[in-house]
Amino acid sequence: QSVLTQPPSASGTPGQRVTISCSGSRSNIGSNSVNWYQQYPGTAPKLLIYANDQRPSGVPGRFSGSKSGTSASLAISGLQSEDEADYYCAAWDDTLTGYWVFGGGTKLTVL
Amino acid sequence: EVQLVESGGGLVQPGGSLRLSCAVSGFTFSSSQMDWVRQAPGKGLEWISYISASGTHVNYADSVKGRFTISRDNAKNSLYLQMNSLRAEDTATYYCATEDDFGEMWFFQHWGQGTLVTVSS
Repeated sequence: QSVLTQPPSASGTPGQRVTISCSGSRSNIGSNSVNWYQQYPGTAPKLLIYANDQRPSGVPGRFSGSKSGTSASLAISGLQSEDEADYYCAAWDDTLTGYWVFGGGTKLTVL
Repeated sequence: EVQLVESGGGLVQPGGSLRLSCAVSGFTFSSSQMDWVRQAPGKGLEWISYISASGTHVNYADSVKGRFTISRDNAKNSLYLQMNSLRAEDTATYYCATEDDFGEMWFFQHWGQGTLVTVSS
């Protein structure tokens, strides 16, 4: 069971806006920034959003992130077929010596 | 171009040992914090270990503490993970990743392609 909670699946049609939620607690999302990773089957994760809402160069502007309290969201507007992938949220958790925690991942299907 | 290339994975019996390596290029390794993250087949991502740029500070997930040891050789631009007392639940693809920051907000920026470790008799 993951420390951060994500819906296991999400879906949308091309052009739609989809959001993926990530719920944590005061010791992780409530105290630290949230990052999002995109992963295609059989490949390594790729940084999608860092520091809650920052996009690395090369990531399309239709990907956006936000954080409020102990929750965060990833939004994808103008959904495209190539967005079909797994998405993971992550945050540092301050408990004890500290450690990184991930969400269980959300499989996004483009219908 | 930043590159991280893991190696050393394979099939090992329960209780056995394995040493993973991550060879990096394209950035100043000696200034970079590094981590190992794993992913069991069909499962999500799990952080397992961190090492500071100098190698002075390390940290481990409870699931591997006392069994795994992270280390680095800055002269060889290489990161290592010594895995002892391996269990079936350690079966996973192991990724090395750089840990970078944006105003003290940290994230895994660059990832290797991963190396598969299978623990089975």
